[in-house]
Order: sequence, then C-alpha cells, then structure tokens
Amino acid sequence: EDQVTQSPEALRLQEGESSSLNCSYTVSGLRGLFWYRQDPGKGPEFLFTLYSAGEEKEKERLKATLTKKESFLHITAPKPEDSATYLCAVQGYGGATNKLIFGTGTLLAVQP
Amino acid sequence: GAGVSQSPSNKVTEKGKDVELRCDPISGHTALYWYRQSLGQGLEFLIYFQGNSAPDKSGLPSDRFSAERTGGSVSTLTIQRTQQEDSAVYLCASSLEYSGRVFETQYFGPGTRLLVL
Repeated sequence: EDQVTQSPEALRLQEGESSSLNCSYTVSGLRGLFWYRQDPGKGPEFLFTLYSAGEEKEKERLKATLTKKESFLHITAPKPEDSATYLCAVQGYGGATNKLIFGTGTLLAVQP
Repeated sequence: GAGVSQSPSNKVTEKGKDVELRCDPISGHTALYWYRQSLGQGLEFLIYFQGNSAPDKSGLPSDRFSAERTGGSVSTLTIQRTQQEDSAVYLCASSLEYSGRVFETQYFGPGTRLLVL
C-alpha cells in the first residue's frame, strides 16, 4: 500500500535559521512526488513536482530534493511569511487513477 | 487566469440532511478530483473524474457519498443523510489530461468547510 510519512509534525524556526523537512514514502512505482504549501483556511498551493531520484528543484528560499525513498524540502534563511503547513504527496502507478497520497504535513512556524 | 472555485465556502447542516458541494475546475482541465481533509489527518482521496466518467471511486467512504460531473466541467459532490463524522474540509482539484510521461499537477480550490451538527 502506498504510504507517505512526514517529519517533523511541527517545526519552529527563528527567522534566518535554515532547516529541512522530510517526506518518506513507499509506493509501487513512483510517477511523481509533489510538495504543496497550505495556509490556514485555504487549499493547498502547488510548489514542486519531482519525478526521479537525484532531481532537485528550487523556488526562492525553498529547494526540494528526491531520493528513492524520501524527499527533503530545504528552507534557507526562512522568513515569517514562510510559516505554513507543508504537504508532501506521491502519485504511483497502478490502476486508472491519478490520485495523490498525502502525508499529514509539517506545520512550520518562523518567528521574527 | 481563474483557479479552481468551490461553493459554498462554508456549510453548516443538521445530522440526517443532504448536502451538495460544487466545484468549478480550471478552464480546459479535463481531470477533476475530490479529497477530504479531516482535523489532524492528511488529505484523503475520494473520487477522480476524467471527463464525465469516474474511473476511480475507491475513496468514497460509503454509499451516502456520490459525485457527478457534467459537460466535462462542473462537478457536484453529494452527501446524503449526513453524519457528524462527515464534518471536514472537502477539497476539489483539477489537472490537464494525463499525457505521456508528464503527470500533470493538480491545482486545488479553497475547499468547502462542512460542519454537521
């Protein structure tokens, strides 16, 4: 069964203090791994898609990396506006579906 | 351009009543998905539409839940005889049609917050 586990559940950083969020996954053939950001009371906002091990993508202070078993979301010199819940999801092969399997997210708080 | 829209944004209902939730996907997106997000839990897949057909309904939790899509656009999720455990945020997403190795990104709407009293 496809599964996604995110850690830590919550993370508090000081402004400028870099860190990483982890997403471990098991899937029967990875089609894609997705990172989303979700602000309170809103729907998830797309950040990145990674397709194969070794791939990296960057956007502003965020960088996502992928291995065969996990993905990391690195946050460099975060700002308070980076505070949000970060969601990881995988899309696997199998069946006539494009559904995403989500982890429970990491709640990030960046203190000024 | 316009993103995915959902209505209503909030819905409060009494146990046993039926509710309808609406999703307007991004124009041109042929794939549409419904997910549910309960407090403290991850997003849970409910149903996937490709055009007007639903190749994957495996996430619908019971026969009280149904969904339809008409004209390859708007979708309605209906919950009959609502129960308190149905309280959650219902999220809709849409994507371009799957093509080759490009697995199209799903873009989410703001969600409908359902509270069953």
